[in-house]
Amino acid sequence: AQSVTQPDIHITVSEGASLELRCNYSYGATPYLFWYVQSPGQGLQLLLKYFSGDTLVQGIKGFEAEFKRSQSSFNLRKPSVHWSDAAEYFCAVDLGSQGNLIFGKGTKLSVKP
Amino acid sequence: EAQVTQNPRYLITVTGKKLTVTCSQNMNHEYMSWYRQDPGLGLRQIYYSMNVEVTDKGDVPEGYKVSRKEKRNFPLILESPSPNQTSLYFCASSLPPHGRDEQFFGPGTRLTVL
Repeated sequence: AQSVTQPDIHITVSEGASLELRCNYSYGATPYLFWYVQSPGQGLQLLLKYFSGDTLVQGIKGFEAEFKRSQSSFNLRKPSVHWSDAAEYFCAVDLGSQGNLIFGKGTKLSVKP
Repeated sequence: EAQVTQNPRYLITVTGKKLTVTCSQNMNHEYMSWYRQDPGLGLRQIYYSMNVEVTDKGDVPEGYKVSRKEKRNFPLILESPSPNQTSLYFCASSLPPHGRDEQFFGPGTRLTVL
């Protein structure tokens, strides 16, 4: 069965430090890949998406993600974290059939001053 | 403003009392979907709709019903809620799903069933 794994449940980084959130997926072909962010009490906002082409994609709020087919990974990065980045981050894949986004369990990001 | 709205945002109810959570989008999207979010489980799809009068089960449909009589609305119905349906519910919409298009999410409805 298709699945998405986010191995880190909770990450704490200092403000200004770099960030990498991991995401691995299990699927035979290359799926459509997404990163969403959920701020406390809010819905989900799309950060970025990958469909094809350049494997390094840029998103909003200074985030980027790199698709690595050989590792079935789609890790999210940010060079310098801001306190406002504290939120929960979800990686998701869409297999393109029924529109069902398969989500990872999320990584909660805390930012230390 | 393009958006997905849900009502109510918060609801506390008792076991067996029928309830409906409404979802409406103003983007003329054909595709709509309901998810539930539970701690440690991420989001899981309950039902989805490809268009008016076309609905289908997602991964966790038991205990839920939906209808799609109008393009903009996609209510979620719990005929006889149970405590295991206590959760955070999200409605989402997008253009026809061929995988490329972003799904827009509503703000969520936090449901507690006592």
